[in-house]
Amino acid sequence: GAGVSQSPSNKVTEKGKDVELRCDPISGHTALYWYRQSLGQGLEFLIYFQGNSAPDKSGLPSDRFSAERTGGSVSTLTIQRTQQEDSAVYLCASSLVGRAADTQYFGPGTRLTVL
Amino acid sequence: GQNIDQPTEMTATEGAIVQINCTYQTSGFNGLFWYQQHAGEAPTFLSYNVLDGLEEKGRFSSFLSRSKGYSYLLLKELQMKDSASYLCAVRDTGTGGSYIPTFGRGTSLIVHP
Repeated sequence: GAGVSQSPSNKVTEKGKDVELRCDPISGHTALYWYRQSLGQGLEFLIYFQGNSAPDKSGLPSDRFSAERTGGSVSTLTIQRTQQEDSAVYLCASSLVGRAADTQYFGPGTRLTVL
Repeated sequence: GQNIDQPTEMTATEGAIVQINCTYQTSGFNGLFWYQQHAGEAPTFLSYNVLDGLEEKGRFSSFLSRSKGYSYLLLKELQMKDSASYLCAVRDTGTGGSYIPTFGRGTSLIVHP
């Protein structure tokens, strides 16, 4: 089926505004990950959902960041009161079961620019 | 946590062979991944190693030595389209049994004619 999709592909916002980023994982994948990638940096883990388990939020940089996953499928990452340092590409990935040899499939990302 | 080290940038000639190294430190190693990422695109999976040795897939091979905390990605018969960033990622279940991979900063490979 289709791969991981994300929307919007680009988002420009003003400092202090809230933004919502959406991820549609591959159908049937129970594990979903959010990362962000700043210029010249590696992928920074943000949050991980696995089935009906409580999400692993250990990578969220501040309480302005939150995410939810409805019905075990679509996920939304929300950034409140955006700051300029939030500017980055936000990548979503999904995998079948979130276990050892599981391959992550990445979406095209959302490029967020905070002015 | 993990410390993942890989060179920032490498250059090579079309048709040649290049080896991209990755070193890491973990308390509970549970697999190493290599991904390719072209500029402006999503990372795509290349290889997975969990046991020592060489895994070969066409022009790309990946090697792992768990005792040395070391892996390399070998690219043969380089093509211009191989110009991309190559990301090393490690799963460490030493803390809480998490299966979340940690990524290195990536190695930008430039292939020139």
